[in-house]
Amino acid sequence: SQQGEEDPQALSIQEGENATMNCSYKTSINNLQWYRQNSGRGLVHLILIRSNEREKHSGRLRVTLDTSKKSSSLLITASRAADTASYFCATVMIYGGATNKLIFGTGTLLAVQP
Amino acid sequence: IAGITQAPTSQILAAGRRMTLRCTQDMRHNAMYWYRQDLGLGLRLIHYSNTAGTTGKGEVPDGYSVSRANTDDFPLTLASAVPSQTSVYFCASSRDRATDTQYFGPGTRLTVL
Repeated sequence: SQQGEEDPQALSIQEGENATMNCSYKTSINNLQWYRQNSGRGLVHLILIRSNEREKHSGRLRVTLDTSKKSSSLLITASRAADTASYFCATVMIYGGATNKLIFGTGTLLAVQP
Repeated sequence: IAGITQAPTSQILAAGRRMTLRCTQDMRHNAMYWYRQDLGLGLRLIHYSNTAGTTGKGEVPDGYSVSRANTDDFPLTLASAVPSQTSVYFCASSRDRATDTQYFGPGTRLTVL
C-alpha cells in the first residue's frame, strides 16, 4: 500500500502561473521529500522537509508540512515549460524492524503550456 | 562514472529466462535500493542494502534477488522472468539511511514476453 498519495493526479497550467501539488500520508514520519521525474528519466531530489519544520523554500519551490493533518504541499511559482514533469512525495516508513524505507506516492503529472 | 549508472538501458526477455540488471555508484554511498515503477502504482521498493554485505526485502521482493559484495555494485537478478515483471527498474543510493536524499540511476526498461 502507498504511504503517500498525491493530489491532483494531473495538472495543466500556463507558463507563468503557480502550480500546487498536495501529498497526504498515513503514518508518523521522520521527514518528507519531494522528487521530480522527467519523462523517461530517473527521479531527482528537490527538497526535504523534516517533521519539526513547517515550511521550506528552495528557489521557486515552497514546501509546507502539516503533521497534524499528515499532509504536505509543493508550490512551484512562476512555472516554466521546463517544469513539465511528474512530481512525487516520499516519506520514511518503519519497515521490517529498525530499518527505515522511503515510500513513494503515485505522483502528480504537471504539464506547463508555453 | 558520475553518480549512478544502470545497464542495460532496455531489454526484451523471454519468459523463464534469467536476467541480471546492473547498478554501480561512485559516490561511496552506504545504502542502495532497487525500485520498480509501474503506471498507476508509483515506485515500489524491491530490495535494499544498508551497507556492503547486507541486504533486505522491500515491498515487492518475490521473484527478485540481490547481492552487495562491495560498496559500489548492487545487481538485481530475476531468476526466471515472468511477464508481470515487465516494468521500469530504478536503482538508487543514499549516503546512509533511507531518510537521506536518494540519488537515482536512469532506469532499465524491461519487457518480459
